[in-house]
Amino acid sequence: DIQLTQSPSFLSASVGDRVTITCRASQGISSYLAWYQQKPGKAPKLLIYAASTLQTGVPSRFSGSGSGTEFTLTISSLQPEDFATFYCQQLNRYPYTFGQGTKLEIK
Amino acid sequence: QVQLVQSGAEVREPGASVKVSCQASGYTFTTSYMHWVRQAPGQGLEWMGIINPRINSPVHAQKFHGRVTLTRDTSTGTGYMELSSLRSDDTAVYYCARMASSDDAFDVWGQGTLVTVSS
Repeated sequence: DIQLTQSPSFLSASVGDRVTITCRASQGISSYLAWYQQKPGKAPKLLIYAASTLQTGVPSRFSGSGSGTEFTLTISSLQPEDFATFYCQQLNRYPYTFGQGTKLEIK
Repeated sequence: QVQLVQSGAEVREPGASVKVSCQASGYTFTTSYMHWVRQAPGQGLEWMGIINPRINSPVHAQKFHGRVTLTRDTSTGTGYMELSSLRSDDTAVYYCARMASSDDAFDVWGQGTLVTVSS
């Protein structure tokens, strides 16, 4: 199975900050990577797919980059509604594994 | 609008089976893949499997060792996930999710179904 490792696992930041989350794959996955945001008690929400394509309706402060084994999710200026847990997911090969998650908290 | 609506919470004893449904609306059911993902309390997301409703070709994660069965009913636009030989560590919220094509990701999710396994 392809392992995805996110860093950091926990992140404390303030409104207006720029934050970056990294996702590393145990083997190359081309650009078959997605990012999701999940708030407590809710289903995940798709933010980015194909490593860098913004899902319709997602604010432009979210961006993704990378290919192969290293990927990043960047939020350019944190808003109060952005505090949540973020997951990366590879869609290159079954099983479609997820990273362990990054919890973004308010400082 | 496009949505997936799942069946309600379930409680089962260890060793039993559970079947969760996921009804699609707002799009043509057979044109998108349906995935199943679970999340144990306080834990991350775990992919369970996929079914292509058009050709009924399920694939499931090997870790479930044949305990999971994915089916669909095209007449009602509903997907089903059945998990057998339940254990306490199967307690989780189970989600269905749509993937429109093989170049996409999971763009629409059901609301989740809590399955509790307890004696």
